Amino acid sequence: QKEVEQDPGPLSVPEGAIVSLNCTYSNSAFQYFMWYRQYSRKGPELLMYTYSSGNKEDGRFTAQVDKSSKYISLFIRDSQPSDSATYLCAMNPIQGGAQKLVFGQGTRLTINP
Amino acid sequence: DTEVTQTPKHLVMGMTNKKSLKCEQHMGHRAMYWYKQKAKKPPELMFVYSYEKLSINESVPSRFSPECPNSSLLNLHLHALQPEDSALYLCASSPGQGGQPQHFGDGTRLSIL
Repeated sequence: QKEVEQDPGPLSVPEGAIVSLNCTYSNSAFQYFMWYRQYSRKGPELLMYTYSSGNKEDGRFTAQVDKSSKYISLFIRDSQPSDSATYLCAMNPIQGGAQKLVFGQGTRLTINP
Repeated sequence: DTEVTQTPKHLVMGMTNKKSLKCEQHMGHRAMYWYKQKAKKPPELMFVYSYEKLSINESVPSRFSPECPNSSLLNLHLHALQPEDSALYLCASSPGQGGQPQHFGDGTRLSIL
């Protein structure tokens, strides 16, 4: 079993829809949770970064963490064609120093005009 | 534009060549990372430097040789690579404290002939 599970999709939705992207994890040591967006031929871009359980909102994006269920989500409201990309969840434990990020497989998302 | 700059953007080399990939950040981060990414896969960690010292080597073949001349610069020296080493090579940096998110460059797309 992988430490982090993420449905690779592809996921295709119409413009304006609410998109829900999800990851589950098995390692209870994970305390920091990130969502990255990666466009074709570009590096991953940090979208959201959370530590505690609950919701964090930034514009059209909301990150949700449920540590009791080991489940994280990213919601995109009013989706735009420019949101078409691969979305990667990533996480690491709280110990000090530089850490290895554990990534999900990434979900390929297409927003259709 | 990302705050982590990688050069060159593209590199084509033969199996007997020696080349280097370069990465630079000016965010004052004290941890720097090399990742390898194959198509439709998440990034795979190769090396981590923390405070200019190699702290993690993910059992990478010796034909890849990292170097961290100072806290802002990271190099990856390449020699006698194989065709299966063709991939996107990503550099990332983070503050160095536990759990802080990593910021990625746009990578070098490497092709081995």
